[in-house]
Amino acid sequence: KAGVTQTPRYLIKTRGQQVTLSCSPISGHRSVSWYQQTPGQGLQFLFEYFSETQRNKGNFPGRFSGRQFSNSRSEMNVSTLELGDSALYLCASSPGQGVTDTQYFGPGTRLTVL
Amino acid sequence: KQEVTQIPAALSVPEGENLVLNCSFTDSAIYNLQWFRQDPGKGLTSLLLIQSSQREQTSGRLNASLDKSSGRSTLYIAASQPGDSATYLCAVRDSYNNNDMRFGAGTRLTVKP
Repeated sequence: KAGVTQTPRYLIKTRGQQVTLSCSPISGHRSVSWYQQTPGQGLQFLFEYFSETQRNKGNFPGRFSGRQFSNSRSEMNVSTLELGDSALYLCASSPGQGVTDTQYFGPGTRLTVL
Repeated sequence: KQEVTQIPAALSVPEGENLVLNCSFTDSAIYNLQWFRQDPGKGLTSLLLIQSSQREQTSGRLNASLDKSSGRSTLYIAASQPGDSATYLCAVRDSYNNNDMRFGAGTRLTVKP
């Protein structure tokens, strides 16, 4: 079974632009979560989706948004990029909506904001 | 607010040694704790998941324990190998805080041949 895939793997943007990142979960998985990883703050939870509904959101500004499609694929969008948004963005999927499920992570998208 | 701490931040050992990585958390109201490894520039690989009702989980040379009441977990790696070199992260799934997953900063492990 293929793992979690994320596209693109690397991205360079300039301040003020917007960006959309994509995540395809493991086949059959219905829950997708997004995380931001930076050297200073570590791994921080962004949001979680199940069956096209956002179930949970971390403490990030409204510039960060996401959605999930009927095939469980998910996208996250960051508008008006800031230098501090440079990070590794990780997506994880799990089979259901249970909080006891193992999360499986993708390789991440490395975003650099200049 | 749940805080997750991992000590030490970095660890270097010779090949073949047994070692223990530590993870502590401040709020015992958790659903589970998960250990991951991360290779440089890569995503996370799940190693072990311990539910709050469990005390330990084992997979091959890895053994993870959980003491929820004291807010501690350990990851034991037996007979370490150079291929074990990576950053090891623990994460707890909160019962509060909208079921967030909270991560520690990780322990960077180097196993020398």
